[in-house]
Amino acid sequence: DVKVTQSSRYLVKRTGEKVFLECVQDMDHENMFWYRQDPGLGLRLIYFSYDVKMKEKGDIPEGYSVSREKKERFSLILESASTNQTSMYLCASGYRDRAAYNEQFFGPGTRLTVL
Amino acid sequence: QKEVEQNSGPLSVPEGAIASLNCTYSDRGSQSFFWYRQYSGKSPELIMFIYSNGDKEDGRFTAQLNKASQYVSLLIRDSQPSDSATYLCAVKRGNNRLAFGKGNQVVVIP
Repeated sequence: DVKVTQSSRYLVKRTGEKVFLECVQDMDHENMFWYRQDPGLGLRLIYFSYDVKMKEKGDIPEGYSVSREKKERFSLILESASTNQTSMYLCASGYRDRAAYNEQFFGPGTRLTVL
Repeated sequence: QKEVEQNSGPLSVPEGAIASLNCTYSDRGSQSFFWYRQYSGKSPELIMFIYSNGDKEDGRFTAQLNKASQYVSLLIRDSQPSDSATYLCAVKRGNNRLAFGKGNQVVVIP
């Protein structure tokens, strides 16, 4: 069974704090993704990585950065948390270059509240 | 035009009926399409993948793809209360990324 784990299920932070969200997968996937999910807006891609130390901006990268030092681990960093970053954060992973089929496996999510 | 659109509001269906969900996409070159199911408070899980025009059946689920009209649909036959969830349509983009629709909530009424 593919397993994608996230460091916290619930997190409460204060405005201006630096926040780290960590994701670990055990399937040797090349690709890893960070999304946020908000009511009425759906799943939006923040950043993704297709290899160690490689990253690409998604649709809404502003206010976020990422780090991928090891293949199995992908971190999302909020340098200075703001209230509009209150959201559900979902990590996903998947194989690279599987032609048409590109299933992404999701972690359980972290519900972040910024006060 | 949004990349992936799921326009229908919440769908209520009686138990045993067919639930029908639709999704349209803007990129005519898209080739791979996915349906994810997301229970309340849980993360999305893949239930169907379709690549070729036509129908693909898996148990009570049928995905239908029409590339000429740029839509993909999901039918849930013999709907069960356990099918109550939000269904997300996704389309493969470049670099192995997926573009997701906003989702459609399905409520199966016993």
